[in-house]
Amino acid sequence: QKEVEQDPGPLSVPEGAIVSLNCTYSNSAFQYFMWYRQYSRKGPELLMYTYSSGNKEDGRFTAQVDKSSKYISLFIRDSQPSDSATYLCAMSDNAGNNRKLIWGLGTSLAVNP
Amino acid sequence: ETGVTQTPRHLVMGMTNKKSLKCEQHLGHNAMYWYKQSAKKPLELMFVYNFKEQTENNSVPSRFSPECPNSSHLFLHLHTLQPEDSALYLCASRPTAGGPFNEQFFGPGTRLTVL
Repeated sequence: QKEVEQDPGPLSVPEGAIVSLNCTYSNSAFQYFMWYRQYSRKGPELLMYTYSSGNKEDGRFTAQVDKSSKYISLFIRDSQPSDSATYLCAMSDNAGNNRKLIWGLGTSLAVNP
Repeated sequence: ETGVTQTPRHLVMGMTNKKSLKCEQHLGHNAMYWYKQSAKKPLELMFVYNFKEQTENNSVPSRFSPECPNSSHLFLHLHTLQPEDSALYLCASRPTAGGPFNEQFFGPGTRLTVL
């Protein structure tokens, strides 16, 4: 079993749709949960991070963590063509300074005008 | 230049060639990383450097040789690679002070093709 599972898609939605992206994980020691966005021919960039459980909102983006189910989600409201990218979840425990991240496969999202 | 830069952006090499990838960060960070990104695989951590010292080698074959002469520069020396080493190689940096969570900042990557 992989430590982090993420459906690679591709996911195609019309402009304005609500998008739900998800990851599941197996390691209960994970405390930091991140969503990175990667545009074509670019490196990943951090979109949001959450510590432990709960929700976090930033504009059209909401990150949710359910540690009891080992499940994290990223919701995008009023999706725009500029949101078309690959979304990667990443996680780490609270140990050490390396912040070794465990990554999902990434979900490819296309928002069609 | 700002952020994390990588050169070259594209590289094609034969299995007997020797080449080097370069990463430079202009963010004042003290930790630097090499990752490999292949299709249908999650990002694979290769090496980590903290304050120029290698602190992680994730069982990477010896045909990949990293070098970190200072906290701003990171190299990946390549020799006798295999076609399965073709991938996007990403460099990242991270501050080591300031709190329990420190974001990793990525460069645009070098797309490597081994013939």
